[in-house]
Amino acid sequence: SQQGEEDPQALSIQEGENATMNCSYKTSINNLQWYRQNSGRGLVHLILIRSNEREKHSGRLRVTLDTSKKSSSLLITASRAADTASYFCAMTTDSWGKLQFGAGTQVVVTP
Amino acid sequence: GAGVSQTPSNKVTEKGKYVELRCDPISGHTALYWYRQSLGQGPEFLIYFQGTGAADDSGLPNDRFFAVRPEGSVSTLKIQRTERGDSAVYLCASSANTNQPQHFGDGTRLSIL
Repeated sequence: SQQGEEDPQALSIQEGENATMNCSYKTSINNLQWYRQNSGRGLVHLILIRSNEREKHSGRLRVTLDTSKKSSSLLITASRAADTASYFCAMTTDSWGKLQFGAGTQVVVTP
Repeated sequence: GAGVSQTPSNKVTEKGKYVELRCDPISGHTALYWYRQSLGQGPEFLIYFQGTGAADDSGLPNDRFFAVRPEGSVSTLKIQRTERGDSAVYLCASSANTNQPQHFGDGTRLSIL
């Protein structure tokens, strides 16, 4: 069973628009991470946010974390066609660091 | 520097056969993880190595699955008596420690006919 649920399952936007996706989870976490996966490739780490943090930025990416609601969001600003990919949230709940993933959001950015 | 390398990239075999999947982590990374990803789903954890030992193998689906990391670097995931339900992409990831992001290989796409 998956620890996280992502919403929406799919998102289609035009270049220049912002893309927002949400992740909800079930149990207390150590940290939450967002990954991107292009078709047929491995996952690429985007941002790690710890349970005592509320917001982090990296370039055009902004991640928020609300532990009281057990939810996180990923915002991609000024999207580009190259942002087309699947985006996954993943949580760690123990000291081993194993990741528990959501089912992902498929994002398509059209030129 | 080199990232995580997985071989083969694709493996097609018949039901009942034995397969080995190899993972070469980033040099110096002591933590190594195996995940399995089915179509349209997020990866699911299989096993975690810290150095040479399997610290957590709670994700292995049954005793047909086994993994080793004898020298604390390269790891091999072994599947005996393969079944069609084992078809998936098997991903390997490594990290410098358990608090750091994981770096993933491109995976091995396993197809059991």
